[in-house]
Amino acid sequence: NAGVTQTPKFQVLKTGQSMTLQCAQDMNHNSMYWYRQDPGMGLRLIYYSASEGTTDKGEVPNGYNVSRLNKREFSLRLESAAPSQTSVYFCASSDGGRDGYTFGSGTRLTVV
Amino acid sequence: QKEVEQDPGPLSVPEGAIVSLNCTYSNSAFQYFMWYRQYSRKGPELLMYTYSSGNKEDGRFTAQVDKSSKYISLFIRDSQPSDSATYLCAMRRGSNYKLTFGKGTLLTVNP
Repeated sequence: NAGVTQTPKFQVLKTGQSMTLQCAQDMNHNSMYWYRQDPGMGLRLIYYSASEGTTDKGEVPNGYNVSRLNKREFSLRLESAAPSQTSVYFCASSDGGRDGYTFGSGTRLTVV
Repeated sequence: QKEVEQDPGPLSVPEGAIVSLNCTYSNSAFQYFMWYRQYSRKGPELLMYTYSSGNKEDGRFTAQVDKSSKYISLFIRDSQPSDSATYLCAMRRGSNYKLTFGKGTLLTVNP
């Protein structure tokens, strides 16, 4: 029972490079989310997808794009990475019920 | 005023102590309340889920909601070093609404 799987676990980018963070869930959840977590800032929502085929901006969407590829997969793309995007990124999924969100184990991204 | 306020700590207690973690909120529409636990370098995991005011107990953990005061608490009895983690409160208006998280409280339980 894998839950939410994120790849890669670690990444170092140079300023201006692009990359895609992958997320897949095997719980048949409708909703998926991308958060970033920074010291003293808590979890901040970047983008979310309430259901397959829809995506919406969260609290801090600038510099990011997302794709809900199918019900299982939700990717986050950094088109031109900046040092301010150095963070830990978490993907989560939910069926809207009592189980709340299920989080992945995170991607630690450093932009130099 | 932020929708959810949580004291970031850090909080350091001896093993066996009773720990109280708290959050206040401003949106009276919140109905569902949760506590997540996050170990270092891991993703948050759901610890407790409550709906409406009152207490809910699960082993050494008790979640308390006071809607009239817009205040929620998590109590940990007989705290253990394995309880050392960051605890995040979270809440939402309804089943299909997004969660709003507190910033988390870092707890260390010393043996």
